Amino acid sequence: DQQVKQNSPSLSVQEGRISILNCDYTNSMFDYFLWYKKYPAEGPTFLISISSIKDKNEDGRFTVFLNKSAKHLSLHIVPSQPGDSAVYFCAASAKTGTASKLTFGTGTRLQVTL
Amino acid sequence: EAGVAQSPRYKIIEKRQSVAFWCNPISGHATLYWYQQILGQGPKLLIQFQNNGVVDDSQLPKDRFSAERLKGVDSTLKIQPAKLEDSAVYLCASSPRRTGTRNEKLFFGSGTQLSVL
Repeated sequence: DQQVKQNSPSLSVQEGRISILNCDYTNSMFDYFLWYKKYPAEGPTFLISISSIKDKNEDGRFTVFLNKSAKHLSLHIVPSQPGDSAVYFCAASAKTGTASKLTFGTGTRLQVTL
Repeated sequence: EAGVAQSPRYKIIEKRQSVAFWCNPISGHATLYWYQQILGQGPKLLIQFQNNGVVDDSQLPKDRFSAERLKGVDSTLKIQPAKLEDSAVYLCASSPRRTGTRNEKLFFGSGTQLSVL
């Protein structure tokens, strides 16, 4: 049961343009969402997060949008740079008791071309 | 600040053999996680420790996998015996514990890539 879905395995964008990565979830108990970036041979690194009480969070070139009614979130990167080429994982969390448990999507490979 | 350290970087074993992975989290991080990432999938939580106590091991195949975090610092994950489907990258992550805040911002190590032949 895939509770967090990233339906686009890959995305190619020209440098300077906007990259939009999408993520859908099915569990209505999820109340905290994160994006992680992963370069080859490295572990994922935290990029940006959003709480379910918000619909937008911005950090520099990165903005995450949350549409709770649609159970959908997206990551916008503007402008895209070659160094943004990586695999991006969407993750969601639901607080259960005293612990929080992250559920990851399958990832979207972003390639930013010159 | 030193990151999460994991070893070995790569491991190749035959099925039915045993293997162990080691993780040293960021200093002061109370929470430690082991994730399994199979090729083409996202990381899946195997076990979560808070200090040296297990918080969540619901997805750990306990018939073959075991993990410990003695003294609440570094941790080992063991597979015995290994199966072909255990081929994956095993990621260790840690996070600080801050009262009243969500601690989902995890810091990951580079992982151990396991191949079971």
